[in-house]
Amino acid sequence: GAVVSQHPSRVICKSGTSVKIECRSLDFQATTMFWYRQFPKKSLMLMATSNEGSKATYEQGVEKDKFLINHASLTLSTLTVTSAHPEDSSFYICSARDERGSTEAFFGQGTRLTVV
Amino acid sequence: AQRVTQPEKLLSVFKGAPVELKCNYSYSGSPELFWYVQYSRQRLQLLLRHISRESIKGFTADLNKGETSFHLKKPFAQEEDSAMYYCALRVPSKLIFGAGTRLAVHP
Repeated sequence: GAVVSQHPSRVICKSGTSVKIECRSLDFQATTMFWYRQFPKKSLMLMATSNEGSKATYEQGVEKDKFLINHASLTLSTLTVTSAHPEDSSFYICSARDERGSTEAFFGQGTRLTVV
Repeated sequence: AQRVTQPEKLLSVFKGAPVELKCNYSYSGSPELFWYVQYSRQRLQLLLRHISRESIKGFTADLNKGETSFHLKKPFAQEEDSAMYYCALRVPSKLIFGAGTRLAVHP
C-alpha cells in the first residue's frame, strides 16, 4: 500500500517555542491530507484538512493561528504548533488518500510532541 | 449529527473465543464504513471496509443499515489480534472515528 511518512516521530520543545511537523506521501500524490490529534487512550480527533495550494479547513474549536498548516506541494503538508504550551503535548497523526485509487486513507506513524 | 460510537473501551477474551467489537453510527447520508487497527507501536492501518465485503485476518463486518451498525467479528480470536480497533465513517470530506476498543486476547 501507499506510504505516508511523518517527521519527526518524537520532539520535545520548550514552552513558547514553535514546532514544525512534516507529513509526506512517499509514493503517491495527495491534494488533501488530514491532521489528527490523539489523546491518551482516546480516539483520533480531526483537527484540519490540508488542501494543496489553498487554505486549510479547520474543525470547530481548533485555533488556526495556533496550528498553522501549509500544503505547499502534492506530497508535503506541514503542521506548525506555534507558541507551544504544555497542554499542546499530544500525539499528532497525519493521513492522506491516494486519490487515484480507493477511498482508503493511509496514516503516518505519528509525532509525539512534549512541551516542557 | 455524524457520529461513530464504540461502546466498549476494552474487550478481553481468551484465545480461540469468538470476538465481536461493536460499532454504531449516525449519519443521514449513505454510509461508508471502515475498521482500522493499530497494533502496539505501529501506525493505524486499514483492516477492512464495508464496500469490499471482504474477510481480512479472519475478521468480517456487515453493515446493518436498519440497526445503523457495523460490528466487527471473528469466530476464533488469536493472541496476535490484540490491538486497538477503530470504527470509522466517511462523510464526503473526512473520516470520523469512534473512540476505539482495545482487544486483549489472552493465551
